[in-house]
Amino acid sequence: AQSVTQLDSQVPVFEEAPVELRCNYSSSVSVYLFWYVQYPNQGLQLLLKYLSGSTLVKGINGFEAEFNKSQTSFHLRKPSVHISDTAEYFCAVSVGGEYGNKLVFGAGTILRVKS
Amino acid sequence: DGGITQSPKYLFRKEGQNVTLSCEQNLNHDAMYWYRQDPGQGLRLIYYSQIVNDFQKGDIAEGYSVSREKKESFPLTVTSAQKNPTAFYLCASTSFNQPQHFGDGTRLSIL
Repeated sequence: AQSVTQLDSQVPVFEEAPVELRCNYSSSVSVYLFWYVQYPNQGLQLLLKYLSGSTLVKGINGFEAEFNKSQTSFHLRKPSVHISDTAEYFCAVSVGGEYGNKLVFGAGTILRVKS
Repeated sequence: DGGITQSPKYLFRKEGQNVTLSCEQNLNHDAMYWYRQDPGQGLRLIYYSQIVNDFQKGDIAEGYSVSREKKESFPLTVTSAQKNPTAFYLCASTSFNQPQHFGDGTRLSIL
């Protein structure tokens, strides 16, 4: 069964510093990966997705992620964070195709940006 | 604007009571999903439906029921058999070649 592990439950960082949120997945078949962001008491918003092609994927709000097949990782990065980036971030893998019929989520990483 | 509307935003349940959470979408999406979110556990799939009048159990379906009588609507009933219903519930929808789109959630608490 496919699974997703987010290696950090919380990541504190100062404003304008770089950040990396780590995600590892397990899958024996083609992989389709997503990062979502959730602000307090709201739903999830898609940040970026990897379906195929270039392993470096750029998303909204200045975020990017790199797909690494040999390390089964899909880490999310931002070179300079803002206070407004404070939120919970979820990595997910699609089961059953690119947009499949299911998403399997990691437990989430809370990003806390401090001034 | 197209989107997913979940109502109510906050809901309280008494012991032994069934409650129904509403999810409506005007995106013309075929598939709809219900997730449960607990702190530190991510999102877990309760039920999903890929077409009208058909739905499948997800990973934690016990104590929940759904219906899909219309394409745009996918209500979730939390029954009295669900012993720990306090959680944040999220509805999502998708269609071919599109990522899942989420509503803003319903927070259910026990009185």
